[in-house]
Amino acid sequence: DAGVTQSPTHLIKTRGQQVTLRCSPKSGHDTVSWYQQALGQGPQFIFQYYEEEERQRGNFPDRFSGHQFPNYSSELNVNALLLGDSALYLCASSSPIAGASIGELFFGEGSRLTVL
Amino acid sequence: AQRVTQPEKLLSVFKGAPVELKCNYSYSGSPELFWYVQYSRQRLQLLLRHISRESIKGFTADLNKGETSFHLKKPFAQEEDSAMYYCALSGQGTDKLIFGTGTRLQVFP
Repeated sequence: DAGVTQSPTHLIKTRGQQVTLRCSPKSGHDTVSWYQQALGQGPQFIFQYYEEEERQRGNFPDRFSGHQFPNYSSELNVNALLLGDSALYLCASSSPIAGASIGELFFGEGSRLTVL
Repeated sequence: AQRVTQPEKLLSVFKGAPVELKCNYSYSGSPELFWYVQYSRQRLQLLLRHISRESIKGFTADLNKGETSFHLKKPFAQEEDSAMYYCALSGQGTDKLIFGTGTRLQVFP
């Protein structure tokens, strides 16, 4: 099991552009959460997807949107990029049914986005 | 407001010394508390959670509701404990985590 996989690992965009990040959850997991980690900060919750719907959302503007597919994989889309969107974007998967307890998230290695 | 505070950005100790990484929280309700760890060139992973009351790799953490703290302790630090440690909380029944800013632990030989 490769665990949670994310792509791309690094990317550079310019202000105003749009970006799509992708995540495949750990095998057997059906819930995907996205976090933004700015330099020197802890991860901040963006939103969570379950059964192809956004279940919870953090304090992020509508420029941040997502999607979950029937195979549980997920995408994070950010429109109209700002310099402040530069960060490491982490995907995490979980599933109480698969044996993970509440709060036990399995993280990917992240996608590092640089906005110039 | 829901918040997790880790006052120390860096904690440096020598091998064999006791370690305490501080974590304080603010939450209206009954939160669940966790410690996550990130070793060099590895991904973020769960170390322990308060509800399990377990010891992992010699680390323990006790939830003190009066002081709203969840400090991580180890009596004798090892070099392999060097890592970034994040305290996190979630509301009951949800796995939306609120993280602190993290403490880097350096254990010198």
